[in-house]
Amino acid sequence: AQSVTQPDIHITVSEGASLELRCNYSYGATPYLFWYVQSPGQGLQLLLKYFSGDTLVQGIKGFEAEFKRSQSSFNLRKPSVHWSDAAEYFCAVGAGRRALTFGSGTRLQVQP
Amino acid sequence: SAVISQKPSRDICQRGTSLTIQCQVDSQVTMMFWYRQQPGQSLTLIATANQGSEATYESGFVIDKFPISRPNLTFSTLTVSNMSPEDSSIYLCSVTPAGSDTQYFGPGTRLTVL
Repeated sequence: AQSVTQPDIHITVSEGASLELRCNYSYGATPYLFWYVQSPGQGLQLLLKYFSGDTLVQGIKGFEAEFKRSQSSFNLRKPSVHWSDAAEYFCAVGAGRRALTFGSGTRLQVQP
Repeated sequence: SAVISQKPSRDICQRGTSLTIQCQVDSQVTMMFWYRQQPGQSLTLIATANQGSEATYESGFVIDKFPISRPNLTFSTLTVSNMSPEDSSIYLCSVTPAGSDTQYFGPGTRLTVL
């Protein structure tokens, strides 16, 4: 069965600092990996996705993620966090056009 | 991508009543999904709704409690029946557009059951 682990429930960073959110997955085949962001009272917005090819993927809002097959990880990074990045971040795994399995989410707080 | 709207955006309901949530997409899609997000929790798949066939429910979700309709390729409804406070959640629909392997989500319906 597929699963996603986001080990950090809550992270606080200072504005301008770098950010890394961790995601580990378990999947029996080549995974499709996603990061979504959910701002308070909002739906989910796709940040980036990995299907194949270059293991470093660029997304919106200055985010990037690196797929590491050997570590079953797909960590999300941003070099300089903005106050508007405060939100809940979800890592998800799926295959093709099937439903996604989500991690438990990481809540990001940004200090001024 | 796809533009998805949901109605209502939020509602407060009494125990024992039912609420039907609508999901409208701006393009024809084969597969639609319904998820539940309980307070402070992640998303859990309720069911997959394909046009022209019965919805497929995940373990722990049953058709009598969460009946789903899918009358055409741009629309679906999810009904939460005989509600209890434990049904208080955000309900989200999502779609995978034709030619895409990416799911896009609606804004969600925030349901509070008193």
